[in-house]
Amino acid sequence: QKEVEQNSGPLSVPEGAIASLNCTYSDRGSQSFFWYRQYSGKSPELIMFIYSNGDKEDGRFTAQLNKASQYVSLLIRDSQPSDSATYLCAVNWRGNYGQNFVFGPGTRLSVLP
Amino acid sequence: GAVVSQHPSWVICKSGTSVKIECRSLDFQATTMFWYRQFPKQSLMLMATSNEGSKATYEQGVEKDKFLINHASLTLSTLTVTSAHPEDSSFYICSARDRGREQYFGPGTRLTVT
Repeated sequence: QKEVEQNSGPLSVPEGAIASLNCTYSDRGSQSFFWYRQYSGKSPELIMFIYSNGDKEDGRFTAQLNKASQYVSLLIRDSQPSDSATYLCAVNWRGNYGQNFVFGPGTRLSVLP
Repeated sequence: GAVVSQHPSWVICKSGTSVKIECRSLDFQATTMFWYRQFPKQSLMLMATSNEGSKATYEQGVEKDKFLINHASLTLSTLTVTSAHPEDSSFYICSARDRGREQYFGPGTRLTVT
Protein backbone atom coordinates (compact mmCIF):
# COMPACT_ATOMS: atom_id res chain seq x y z
CA GLN A 1 0.00 0.00 0.00
CA LYS A 2 1.48 3.30 -1.11
CA GLU A 3 0.83 5.96 1.51
CA VAL A 4 1.47 9.66 1.71
CA GLU A 5 0.87 11.43 4.98
CA GLN A 6 0.44 15.08 5.81
CA ASN A 7 -0.69 16.97 8.87
CA SER A 8 -4.21 18.12 8.00
CA GLY A 9 -3.81 21.39 9.91
CA PRO A 10 -4.96 24.04 9.88
CA LEU A 11 -1.52 25.56 10.06
CA SER A 12 -1.75 29.23 10.93
CA VAL A 13 1.14 31.63 10.39
CA PRO A 14 1.29 35.43 10.50
CA GLU A 15 1.82 37.39 7.31
CA GLY A 16 5.52 37.63 6.45
CA ALA A 17 6.50 34.49 8.37
CA ILE A 18 7.83 31.22 6.98
CA ALA A 19 5.27 28.45 6.56
CA SER A 20 6.64 24.91 6.75
CA LEU A 21 4.61 22.06 5.29
CA ASN A 22 5.67 18.46 5.75
CA CYS A 23 4.97 15.20 3.97
CA THR A 24 6.13 11.61 4.54
CA TYR A 25 5.74 8.69 2.18
CA SER A 26 5.92 4.95 2.60
CA ASP A 27 7.40 3.68 -0.65
CA ARG A 28 11.18 3.82 -0.91
CA GLY A 29 10.87 3.30 -4.66
CA SER A 30 9.19 6.68 -5.15
CA GLN A 31 10.98 8.69 -7.77
CA SER A 32 9.58 12.18 -7.83
CA PHE A 33 7.66 14.47 -5.57
CA PHE A 34 5.23 17.29 -6.19
CA TRP A 35 3.55 20.06 -4.28
CA TYR A 36 0.16 21.33 -5.42
CA ARG A 37 -1.88 24.23 -4.09
CA GLN A 38 -5.67 24.00 -4.07
CA TYR A 39 -7.96 26.88 -3.30
CA SER A 40 -11.43 26.05 -2.04
CA GLY A 41 -13.68 24.94 -4.87
CA LYS A 42 -10.84 24.99 -7.39
CA SER A 43 -8.63 22.40 -9.01
CA PRO A 44 -5.05 21.82 -7.79
CA GLU A 45 -2.25 23.78 -9.40
CA LEU A 46 1.35 22.64 -9.54
CA ILE A 47 3.75 24.69 -7.44
CA MET A 48 6.96 22.70 -7.49
CA PHE A 49 8.45 19.31 -8.13
CA ILE A 50 11.68 17.79 -6.89
CA TYR A 51 13.49 14.64 -7.93
CA SER A 52 16.84 14.75 -6.13
CA ASN A 53 17.84 14.93 -2.49
CA GLY A 54 18.42 18.41 -1.16
CA ASP A 55 16.75 21.75 -1.68
CA LYS A 56 15.13 23.29 -4.72
CA GLU A 57 14.19 26.93 -4.67
CA ASP A 58 11.68 28.79 -6.85
CA GLY A 59 10.87 32.31 -5.77
CA ARG A 60 9.36 32.25 -2.29
CA PHE A 61 9.03 28.46 -2.37
CA THR A 62 11.66 25.91 -1.38
CA ALA A 63 11.12 22.17 -1.63
CA GLN A 64 13.32 19.90 0.48
CA LEU A 65 13.71 16.18 -0.15
CA ASN A 66 15.33 13.55 2.05
CA LYS A 67 14.88 10.13 0.48
CA ALA A 68 16.65 8.32 3.32
CA SER A 69 14.06 9.65 5.77
CA GLN A 70 11.25 9.44 3.18
CA TYR A 71 10.39 13.04 3.85
CA VAL A 72 9.61 16.00 1.64
CA SER A 73 8.76 19.51 2.76
CA LEU A 74 7.69 22.83 1.31
CA LEU A 75 8.78 26.14 2.79
CA ILE A 76 6.95 29.33 1.90
CA ARG A 77 8.91 32.48 2.76
CA ASP A 78 7.27 35.85 3.35
CA SER A 79 3.85 34.20 3.56
CA GLN A 80 0.97 36.23 2.18
CA PRO A 81 -2.78 35.94 2.86
CA SER A 82 -3.14 34.84 -0.77
CA ASP A 83 -1.08 31.75 0.12
CA SER A 84 -3.98 30.54 2.30
CA ALA A 85 -5.04 27.28 0.66
CA THR A 86 -4.74 23.53 1.00
CA TYR A 87 -1.35 22.17 -0.03
CA LEU A 88 -1.25 18.67 -1.47
CA CYS A 89 1.85 16.53 -1.52
CA ALA A 90 1.99 13.97 -4.33
CA VAL A 91 4.43 11.14 -4.78
CA ASN A 92 5.12 9.51 -8.11
CA TRP A 93 6.05 5.86 -8.26
CA ARG A 94 6.41 3.31 -11.00
CA GLY A 95 3.69 0.68 -10.76
CA ASN A 96 2.83 -2.26 -12.96
CA TYR A 97 0.91 -0.05 -15.37
CA GLY A 98 3.27 2.88 -15.55
CA GLN A 99 3.82 5.84 -13.30
CA ASN A 100 1.15 6.74 -10.79
CA PHE A 101 0.54 9.55 -8.36
CA VAL A 102 -0.47 9.09 -4.77
CA PHE A 103 -1.76 12.23 -3.06
CA GLY A 104 -1.60 13.06 0.60
CA PRO A 105 -4.73 14.34 2.35
CA GLY A 106 -3.46 17.93 2.20
CA THR A 107 -2.52 20.54 4.79
CA ARG A 108 -4.71 23.58 5.15
CA LEU A 109 -2.62 26.75 5.52
CA SER A 110 -4.02 29.98 6.88
CA VAL A 111 -1.89 33.14 6.64
CA LEU A 112 -3.16 35.77 9.04
CA PRO A 113 -2.87 39.44 8.01
CA GLY B 1 2.02 25.85 -21.69
CA ALA B 2 0.56 22.68 -20.17
CA VAL B 3 -3.06 23.76 -20.21
CA VAL B 4 -5.81 21.26 -19.55
CA SER B 5 -9.46 22.15 -20.04
CA GLN B 6 -12.64 20.46 -18.88
CA HIS B 7 -16.17 20.81 -20.10
CA PRO B 8 -18.64 21.46 -18.65
CA SER B 9 -17.42 23.30 -15.57
CA TRP B 10 -20.62 22.46 -13.76
CA VAL B 11 -23.67 20.36 -14.51
CA ILE B 12 -26.93 19.54 -12.79
CA CYS B 13 -28.76 16.42 -13.88
CA LYS B 14 -31.66 14.29 -12.74
CA SER B 15 -31.20 10.96 -11.07
CA GLY B 16 -31.00 8.11 -13.58
CA THR B 17 -29.59 10.15 -16.43
CA SER B 18 -26.05 10.02 -17.85
CA VAL B 19 -23.52 12.83 -17.94
CA LYS B 20 -20.41 13.13 -20.11
CA ILE B 21 -17.40 15.18 -19.03
CA GLU B 22 -14.63 16.07 -21.48
CA CYS B 23 -10.98 16.61 -20.66
CA ARG B 24 -8.63 18.13 -23.24
CA SER B 25 -4.93 18.89 -23.25
CA LEU B 26 -4.68 22.10 -25.25
CA ASP B 27 -0.99 22.53 -25.95
CA PHE B 28 0.57 19.13 -25.49
CA GLN B 29 -0.11 15.51 -26.26
CA ALA B 30 -1.28 13.61 -23.21
CA THR B 31 -0.15 10.01 -23.33
CA THR B 32 -1.88 9.41 -20.01
CA MET B 33 -4.93 11.02 -18.46
CA PHE B 34 -6.25 10.56 -14.96
CA TRP B 35 -9.70 11.02 -13.51
CA TYR B 36 -10.14 12.03 -9.88
CA ARG B 37 -13.12 12.62 -7.65
CA GLN B 38 -13.11 14.94 -4.68
CA PHE B 39 -15.83 15.20 -2.06
CA PRO B 40 -16.08 18.34 0.11
CA LYS B 41 -13.18 18.77 2.54
CA GLN B 42 -11.57 15.55 1.33
CA SER B 43 -8.50 14.87 -0.76
CA LEU B 44 -8.36 13.76 -4.35
CA MET B 45 -9.27 10.15 -4.97
CA LEU B 46 -7.98 8.57 -8.16
CA MET B 47 -10.74 6.84 -10.07
CA ALA B 48 -8.96 5.59 -13.16
CA THR B 49 -5.95 5.95 -15.39
CA SER B 50 -6.26 5.90 -19.15
CA ASN B 51 -3.67 5.64 -21.85
CA GLU B 52 -4.47 6.72 -25.38
CA GLY B 53 -5.92 3.90 -27.42
CA SER B 54 -6.23 1.40 -24.61
CA LYS B 55 -8.73 0.51 -21.91
CA ALA B 56 -8.73 2.48 -18.70
CA THR B 57 -7.34 1.00 -15.50
CA TYR B 58 -9.80 1.51 -12.66
CA GLU B 59 -8.94 1.82 -9.00
CA GLN B 60 -10.35 -0.64 -6.53
CA GLY B 61 -13.95 0.12 -5.67
CA VAL B 62 -14.66 2.17 -8.79
CA GLU B 63 -17.36 0.62 -10.99
CA LYS B 64 -16.11 0.51 -14.55
CA ASP B 65 -19.60 0.00 -15.93
CA LYS B 66 -20.83 3.11 -14.16
CA PHE B 67 -17.90 5.39 -14.94
CA LEU B 68 -17.09 4.92 -18.61
CA ILE B 69 -13.78 6.34 -19.74
CA ASN B 70 -12.72 6.83 -23.34
CA HIS B 71 -9.29 8.13 -24.34
CA ALA B 72 -9.67 8.18 -28.09
CA SER B 73 -6.92 10.64 -28.92
CA LEU B 74 -3.79 12.16 -27.44
CA THR B 75 -5.69 15.31 -26.52
CA LEU B 76 -9.11 14.09 -25.41
CA SER B 77 -10.48 11.84 -22.72
CA THR B 78 -14.11 11.57 -21.66
CA LEU B 79 -15.75 10.34 -18.47
CA THR B 80 -19.39 9.32 -18.66
CA VAL B 81 -21.28 8.87 -15.42
CA THR B 82 -24.08 6.48 -16.29
CA SER B 83 -27.37 6.31 -14.41
CA ALA B 84 -26.23 9.01 -12.04
CA HIS B 85 -27.49 9.10 -8.46
CA PRO B 86 -27.28 11.81 -5.80
CA GLU B 87 -24.30 10.07 -4.17
CA ASP B 88 -22.38 10.63 -7.42
CA SER B 89 -22.54 14.37 -6.81
CA SER B 90 -18.93 15.47 -6.52
CA PHE B 91 -16.11 17.51 -8.02
CA TYR B 92 -14.57 15.55 -10.89
CA ILE B 93 -11.08 16.56 -11.95
CA CYS B 94 -8.98 15.26 -14.79
CA SER B 95 -5.26 15.57 -15.17
CA ALA B 96 -2.97 14.91 -18.07
CA ARG B 97 0.66 13.96 -18.45
CA ASP B 98 2.88 14.00 -21.47
CA ARG B 99 6.01 11.91 -21.62
CA GLY B 100 7.43 13.80 -18.66
CA ARG B 101 6.61 13.16 -15.05
CA GLU B 102 4.48 16.21 -14.21
CA GLN B 103 0.72 16.09 -14.13
CA TYR B 104 -1.39 19.12 -14.97
CA PHE B 105 -4.94 19.39 -13.75
CA GLY B 106 -8.03 20.60 -15.50
CA PRO B 107 -10.25 23.14 -13.72
CA GLY B 108 -12.71 20.47 -12.59
CA THR B 109 -16.39 19.75 -13.18
CA ARG B 110 -18.88 20.06 -10.37
CA LEU B 111 -21.65 17.50 -10.80
CA THR B 112 -24.91 17.77 -8.89
CA VAL B 113 -27.45 14.97 -9.24
CA THR B 114 -30.94 15.82 -8.04
